Amino acid sequence: AQSVTQLGSHVSVSEGALVLLRCNYSSSVPPYLFWYVQYPNQGLQLLLKYTSAATLVKGINGFEAEFKKSETSFHLTKPSAHMSDAAEYFCAAGGSARQLTFGSGTQLTVLP
Amino acid sequence: EADIYQTPRYLVIGTGKKITLECSQTMGHDKMYWYQQDPGMELHLIHYSYGVNSTEKGDLSSESTVSRIRTEHFPLTLESARPSHTSQYLCASSATGLNTEAFFGQGTRLTVV
Repeated sequence: AQSVTQLGSHVSVSEGALVLLRCNYSSSVPPYLFWYVQYPNQGLQLLLKYTSAATLVKGINGFEAEFKKSETSFHLTKPSAHMSDAAEYFCAAGGSARQLTFGSGTQLTVLP
Repeated sequence: EADIYQTPRYLVIGTGKKITLECSQTMGHDKMYWYQQDPGMELHLIHYSYGVNSTEKGDLSSESTVSRIRTEHFPLTLESARPSHTSQYLCASSATGLNTEAFFGQGTRLTVV
């Protein structure tokens, strides 16, 4: 069975600072990993996905994530936070024929 | 731009009423899902479907029911709404395959008074 753990339910950064949102997965098979963003009262929007073509994955809005098999991690980063990045971020793992397994989410606050 | 639509976006309804939340997608996806999400909380899968006439219950027990008569349509029904059903309901769809992402609708925020 798969599981996804997001460390830190709330993360605050100053505008212009580095954003780091942590995600660890547990899987007995090669994972398919995703990051989604959710703005208030909206559905989830795909930021990026790991396809095994490259360990560093670039997504939309300047975000990227690095797959580290040895650490079973897929952390999300952005070099410089913008006020518009404030949202809820979800890490998810595929590989199950049934569904994606979602982490519990991280609320990102960007301080002026 | 994902082509998956949910209606209504917001619904306030009285206890005991029957409601149907609509979800439609135009991408031809076989898989469709319903998630329940309380504000600021994680997503809980309540129903999913692999295709027409295929529906399964998800991880979170729900009093709602679903049907999948057409590929593009996956409505969720509550026969008798209660205040405990107040939540946001998210519909999603995905293509067949393990490395396929889910596309989400905008959600329906349901309030039962």
